[in-house]
Amino acid sequence: EDQVTQSPEALRLQEGESSSLNCSYTVSGLRGLFWYRQDPGKGPEFLFTLYSAGEEKEKERLKATLTKKESFLHITAPKPEDSATYLCAVQDGAGNNRKLIWGLGTSLAVNP
Amino acid sequence: NAGVTQTPKFRVLKTGQSMTLLCAQDMNHEYMYWYRQDPGMGLRLIHYSVGEGTTAKGEVPDGYNVSRLKKQNFLLGLESAAPSQTSVYFCASSWPTGYGYEQYFGPGTRLTVT
Repeated sequence: EDQVTQSPEALRLQEGESSSLNCSYTVSGLRGLFWYRQDPGKGPEFLFTLYSAGEEKEKERLKATLTKKESFLHITAPKPEDSATYLCAVQDGAGNNRKLIWGLGTSLAVNP
Repeated sequence: NAGVTQTPKFRVLKTGQSMTLLCAQDMNHEYMYWYRQDPGMGLRLIHYSVGEGTTAKGEVPDGYNVSRLKKQNFLLGLESAAPSQTSVYFCASSWPTGYGYEQYFGPGTRLTVT
């Protein structure tokens, strides 16, 4: 069964304390892996798309990487404004199954 | 450039009442989607559209209907609301470079059914 699991569920960091969020997935054929950021009371905001193992994308303090089984979102020297829920989604491109499978997210809090 | 907008932002319904949620996008996107987000369940796709005049069922379509009469608008209807439909509803849109790619989300509608 196609599945996306994010860990940890919640993470609390001090400002400047780097860490990583994990998104592990099980799909029959990966078409793409997506990272989104969601602030409380708002819709998800697109961050990155990764298509193949070994690929990396960066944006400010965020860096996303992809292997054949998981993706990491590395946060370097986070600031309080990085506090949000980070969502991972996977698109299964095998056959005719083209739906997005969403993880439950990691809630990140960065303390000043 | 407003992106994706949703109306209303909040709504309280009684069981059995009906309502329509409106989504509008000004990015000329071909694809549009309706999701619901519930604690512990994540985002679940209700219905989607790959172009004007087309709609398709998603993961949890029961109890909902949709229409895409104009490219920029995607309507979600609840014919007879039930407490199980209490949720936050998000509309999203994307370019036609492939289903699901880089979706742009609206701010959401918080619906409570009593």
